[in-house]
Amino acid sequence: DTAVSQTPKYLVTQMGNDKSIKCEQNLGHDTMYWYKQDSKKFLKIMFSYNNKELIINETVPNRFSPKSPDKAHLNLHINSLELGDSAVYFCASSQTIYNSPLHFGNGTRLTVT
Amino acid sequence: AQSVTQLDSQVPVFEEAPVELRCNYSSSVSVYLFWYVQYPNQGLQLLLKYLSGSTLVKGINGFEAEFNKSQTSFHLRKPSVHISDTAEYFCAVLNSGYSTLTFGKGTMLLVSP
Repeated sequence: DTAVSQTPKYLVTQMGNDKSIKCEQNLGHDTMYWYKQDSKKFLKIMFSYNNKELIINETVPNRFSPKSPDKAHLNLHINSLELGDSAVYFCASSQTIYNSPLHFGNGTRLTVT
Repeated sequence: AQSVTQLDSQVPVFEEAPVELRCNYSSSVSVYLFWYVQYPNQGLQLLLKYLSGSTLVKGINGFEAEFNKSQTSFHLRKPSVHISDTAEYFCAVLNSGYSTLTFGKGTMLLVSP
């Protein structure tokens, strides 16, 4: 019954590796997002997809590549991981692009060693 | 552009005392405003939202907030807090016509017995 689910919950990996985080929502929402929360709890938008189309692509290294195979899924692939990528990554969804509240997943804590 | 300022990074309070968490925003157009709560090791959960209409909005868990356009504020209040209210609280703003939320840096509410 989880509305927005992301896996894995924890991810520990070494510098230079490639990893993916998966996200699925069962709310029938049109829009999905990836947010990054740093160690000071600051939340920053990374990407936003609406009906599988990329609409927001903030200043994020191109080592980060989102993929949306369908409206209910938005995965995040990260190449050549760096120490500074360590953070909690949150997936979220909203009914529409505009003025709809976000529904968040429980986050993926990525630790790069 | 839109931005949010949460002046207090931490607010300690005793159980059953009232609390106010401050939020100020800047925007050149109409806004939608939100408060989210993040419990430890969890994703963000919507507490309440202001989209239009009455400036006093009520949310879950006994919280309420008042939209003050002249002071560009959206402060969160609760008349009597519980230990279980201990969490990080985020204010967020969305310009009408803009597609992503901008979050404040969060306020940690610490409720002690």
